[in-house]
Amino acid sequence: EIVLTQSPGTLSLSPGERVALSCRASQSVRSSYFAWYQQKPGQAPRLLIYGTSRRASGIPDRFSGSGSETDFTLTISRLEPEDFAVYYCQQYGSSPFTFGPGTKVDFK
Amino acid sequence: QVQLQESGPGLVKPSQTLSLTCSVSGGSISSDSYAWNWIRQPAGKGLEWIGRVYSSGGTNYNPSLQSRVTISVDTSNNQFSLNLSSVTAADTAVYWCARRYYYFDTAGYHDAFDIWGQGTVVTVSS
Repeated sequence: EIVLTQSPGTLSLSPGERVALSCRASQSVRSSYFAWYQQKPGQAPRLLIYGTSRRASGIPDRFSGSGSETDFTLTISRLEPEDFAVYYCQQYGSSPFTFGPGTKVDFK
Repeated sequence: QVQLQESGPGLVKPSQTLSLTCSVSGGSISSDSYAWNWIRQPAGKGLEWIGRVYSSGGTNYNPSLQSRVTISVDTSNNQFSLNLSSVTAADTAVYWCARRYYYFDTAGYHDAFDIWGQGTVVTVSS
């Protein structure tokens, strides 16, 4: 099983800041099968990025994804108030598909 | 616009079987480009993939649950289902169904868990 580790666990930031969220995999992940999700309380995860760097439909271009093999990054170029949430990474190239533990982005 | 909707009992007794259904609307469940998944999240914790089913009926399960889980598809009613047997309090969670969609176009290969249901809370308690 591929274990995903996200750091940090929590980030306290202000609107307008740039943020880079990290996800590290215990084994190499094929780039076509790596995604990022945003989750707000009481809601389902919302797909942001798939295939490492492809933005999902309707996702603003302030969100971008990068990385390869075992190191992946979600970057938010300028935090908007609606971006304060929990972010999860996911690999779905090797079964069982796994998620990271999440990074919470909250208000400073 | 394809939508998914989970349904089933919100309370299940320990040792019994948890049964949920995901109804697919706005599109057909039958396509080689889709896999239909169940994912769960205990309160305050992370996400766990339970398993998937194809419209052909083929399945894959998370080994951590494999001995207790069955996922099936009903193409005539455009829905798929989750059965989890011998439940304990550790199975208390929000359960989601989700579509994995993969296809090629001029921009290349696309593959994502793109549509999720709204989720249903299942509590295991006597």
